[in-house]
Amino acid sequence: NAGVTQTPKFQVLKTGQSMTLQCAQDMNHEYMSWYRQDPGMGLRLIHYSVGAGITDQGEVPNGYNVSRSTTEDFPLRLLSAAPSQTSVYFCASSYGTGSLSYEQYFGPGTRLTVT
Amino acid sequence: GIQVEQSPPDLILQEGANSTLRCNFSDSVNNLQWFHQNPWGQLINLFYIPSGTKQNGRLSATTVATERYSLLYISSSQTTDSGVYFCAVITGGGNKLTFGTGTQLKVEL
Repeated sequence: NAGVTQTPKFQVLKTGQSMTLQCAQDMNHEYMSWYRQDPGMGLRLIHYSVGAGITDQGEVPNGYNVSRSTTEDFPLRLLSAAPSQTSVYFCASSYGTGSLSYEQYFGPGTRLTVT
Repeated sequence: GIQVEQSPPDLILQEGANSTLRCNFSDSVNNLQWFHQNPWGQLINLFYIPSGTKQNGRLSATTVATERYSLLYISSSQTTDSGVYFCAVITGGGNKLTFGTGTQLKVEL
């Protein structure tokens, strides 16, 4: 198992550019999510998905779009990058939906800088 | 929403020392995880421990859900233990983790 993989590892964008951060998992997990981590802080939830075709907003969704067409993949799109989106982005996955909670596994992260 | 507080915020140890990190949370939880973020930024799962006690080598963790806290014990610390330790919880249903602000640990020779 590769676990949770993310690409790219590093990215520099100019203000206004768009890009997609890729996330994939090979553990057949129903639940996937995106977090961002800003300096000196814990992680904050951006968007999440409880299964293919189902997504919802987290704590800090503005400026980001997601879709989930397959169980394995959960890309995060920045439509018009802003300097405030400079951060490290983590993707996570786990079993379980609804009222059940399971251990979550995180990818290696993507370090994004917006100039 | 639920509040997750970790203490101490910073900790410096000599190699070989023991330490206890604490995580307090303001509501009942369905899930509690401890992570180690190493100096390269990787998040490493340490424990999935919504209640009870678990041990893994030099590390152990205890969660007392009724009193809303969890403890992470590090024994015989090594320089490779340096990094940030996060506690994260889920309250209610689902899988949305709320993270604490972490404990920054530095282990010196």
